[in-house]
Amino acid sequence: KNQVEQSPQSLIILEGKNCTLQCNYTVSPFSNLRWYKQDTGRGPVSLTIMTFSENTKSNGRYTATLDADTKQSSLHITASQLSDSASYICVVSLDSNYQLIWGAGTKLIIKP
Amino acid sequence: DAGITQSPRYKITETGRQVTLMCHQTWSHSYMFWYRQDLGHGLRLIYYSAAADITDKGEVSDGYVVSRSKTENFPLTLESATRSQTSVYFCASSEWGHGYTFGSGTRLTVV
Repeated sequence: KNQVEQSPQSLIILEGKNCTLQCNYTVSPFSNLRWYKQDTGRGPVSLTIMTFSENTKSNGRYTATLDADTKQSSLHITASQLSDSASYICVVSLDSNYQLIWGAGTKLIIKP
Repeated sequence: DAGITQSPRYKITETGRQVTLMCHQTWSHSYMFWYRQDLGHGLRLIYYSAAADITDKGEVSDGYVVSRSKTENFPLTLESATRSQTSVYFCASSEWGHGYTFGSGTRLTVV
């Protein structure tokens, strides 16, 4: 069964600290892996998209990694800010544009 | 303004009523999607469209109908609303292989 599992379910860290969110997937065939940020009450916003051949991609303070062999991805946030408080969702795309398998997300809370 | 807009932002309706959620995009993206998001679940695809007049079912399409007569509009209709359809509905658009751009969502409550 195609599945995307994220951990932890929720995380609280202090402003300025770094954190890493995990994503494990059992999806085949694999096209790409995406990370989205979803603020409360808003739609998800794309952070990164990585294909099979890419093992790292950055977007400002966000760095995503992909290990296609172990089917794991991580999202590292550097020097967290209060505005980073959101849910972060890992999404794996099958070999099409519409067959996306969505994780349930990690809820990140940044405390001052 | 360029973007993807959903309306209404909030809607309360009664069981058995028909309700339509609107979605409009200004980029002329080929693909449009409707998702629902429920607490504790990942987004679930209701319907998608690859172009005007081309639509197809997602994993949770029962009880929903869509149309796409124009590229920029993709309305979602609940034919006879049920309490289980209480959810937050997101519309999205994209071009092939690119990330999705989501609207701000419609929070629907069926009482």
